[in-house]
Amino acid sequence: GQNIDQPTEMTATEGAIVQINCTYQTSGFNGLFWYQQHAGEAPTFLSYNVLDGLEEKGRFSSFLSRSKGYSYLLLKELQMKDSASYLCAVMDSNYQLIWGAGTKLIIKP
Amino acid sequence: GAVVSQHPSWVICKSGTSVKIECRSLDFQATTMFWYRQFPKQSLMLMATSNEGSKATYEQGVEKDKFLINHASLTLSTLTVTSAHPEDSSFYICSARDSRGGETEQYFGPGTRLTVT
Repeated sequence: GQNIDQPTEMTATEGAIVQINCTYQTSGFNGLFWYQQHAGEAPTFLSYNVLDGLEEKGRFSSFLSRSKGYSYLLLKELQMKDSASYLCAVMDSNYQLIWGAGTKLIIKP
Repeated sequence: GAVVSQHPSWVICKSGTSVKIECRSLDFQATTMFWYRQFPKQSLMLMATSNEGSKATYEQGVEKDKFLINHASLTLSTLTVTSAHPEDSSFYICSARDSRGGETEQYFGPGTRLTVT
C-alpha cells in the first residue's frame, strides 16, 4: 500500500530552527510537495522536490532522498505566524497526490 | 501565480437540501480538477478527480450519486452535495492543474465550509 508518515505535532521556540520529517512508500514517484495549512484555510504551496538534494527558498528549505524515501522541511528563524500544519504529499506514478496526515507545528514565544 | 477561486466560501443549509460549490481557475486552463474533503484536525481526503469533458473518477467510498461533479469547461468545475446530512458538514477544497505539458503542481482554492443543520 501507499503510505506517508510524518509526526503528528511538534513544538518549537520563536527564532529557532525546526525540521519536520516525512517518510514515504508509494507506487512510483513523481515528486514530493510540502504545503502549509493554517487552521480553517486551504493549503498553500511551499516546495517541490523531484531530485535528491536540498532546495532553499528563504527561511524554508526542503530536502529529498529518493533512495531512502525521505524528505524534510526545515524552517529557520521561526516566527509566530509559522504556527500551522505542514503537509507532506507525494505524487505517485499516476500523478495523483498521496497526502500525509500533516504535522501541527506550535511556536512558543 | 495561478489562482483558483471557490464559491461560496461558506454555506449553511438544512438537512435534505442540495448545495452546489463552484471551483474556478482564474488565469490558467485547468484540464484536471480535484475535490477534497477535510474534517477537523484531519488531513485532506481526495474525493474525486475530474478531467475536462469527462466523467469524474471517484475515490473508493465516495458516493458518486451523492457528490455530483461536473467539469464542463477548462475553467470551471462544480461539486453538488445532494440531500445533504449533518455528517456531510466539512471543509471542501478544490485544486486545479493544467496537465498538458507535464505540469505537476496543483493550485488550491480557498475552500468552502459546509454546515448542514
